[in-house]
Amino acid sequence: QVQLQESGPGLVRPSETLSLTCNVSGASISIGGYYWSWIRQQPGKGLEWIGYIYHRGGTYYNPSFKSRSTLSIDTSTNQFSLQVRSVTAADTAVYYCARVRMILVVSHFDFWGQGTPVSVSS
Amino acid sequence: QSALTQPASVSGSPGQSITISCTGSDTDIGAYDLVSWYQHSPGRAPQLIIHEVSQRPAGVSLRFSGSKSGNTASLTISGLHSDDEADYFCCSYGGHTTLLLGGGTKLTVL
Repeated sequence: QVQLQESGPGLVRPSETLSLTCNVSGASISIGGYYWSWIRQQPGKGLEWIGYIYHRGGTYYNPSFKSRSTLSIDTSTNQFSLQVRSVTAADTAVYYCARVRMILVVSHFDFWGQGTPVSVSS
Repeated sequence: QSALTQPASVSGSPGQSITISCTGSDTDIGAYDLVSWYQHSPGRAPQLIIHEVSQRPAGVSLRFSGSKSGNTASLTISGLHSDDEADYFCCSYGGHTTLLLGGGTKLTVL
């Protein structure tokens, strides 16, 4: 069974950089046919797709996050990561990592992590 | 505002059937048969229950079914159980390697 587990700081100060890591077990992050993604849910709101990355390093970002976000992948540790720069209170959310199944194009998120809460506050 | 529109809440009694709608446009739901649905209980990882409009992953109950008409996709849960109470959200391919997400619907089993 594929399992994903997010890890992060929990609390970040405004204007700093948020760094999150997703550890993948039960599957290799290097296999073809999948992207690896980050999604977030702000309090009381719906889910927002942030972006995804392929094991060869190709990335796609939601335009709303592209200028402040960087995705990276480490096949040696079977992990992928998200950095969000210059955070504000609006970045307070639960952040999820997920695997994206490709069927010619990106199709669906087939496995998710439980999510990690992030609060932006001084 | 979410890209795909879902009702904020639905409810039903045990044993009944309910349907949750997910409305998009002719550039996402209307253009591709790549709609998926997820069940999300508090504190747990979201779980895929329908992909490609109507396909169930292994292990997902036959009580969950999906369909699509025009720009609107639907999730039907038949024979409601108390443990079906959760949030449900939809997702659709939106072209240009993007996935669009719905705002989520809270299902209450009365």
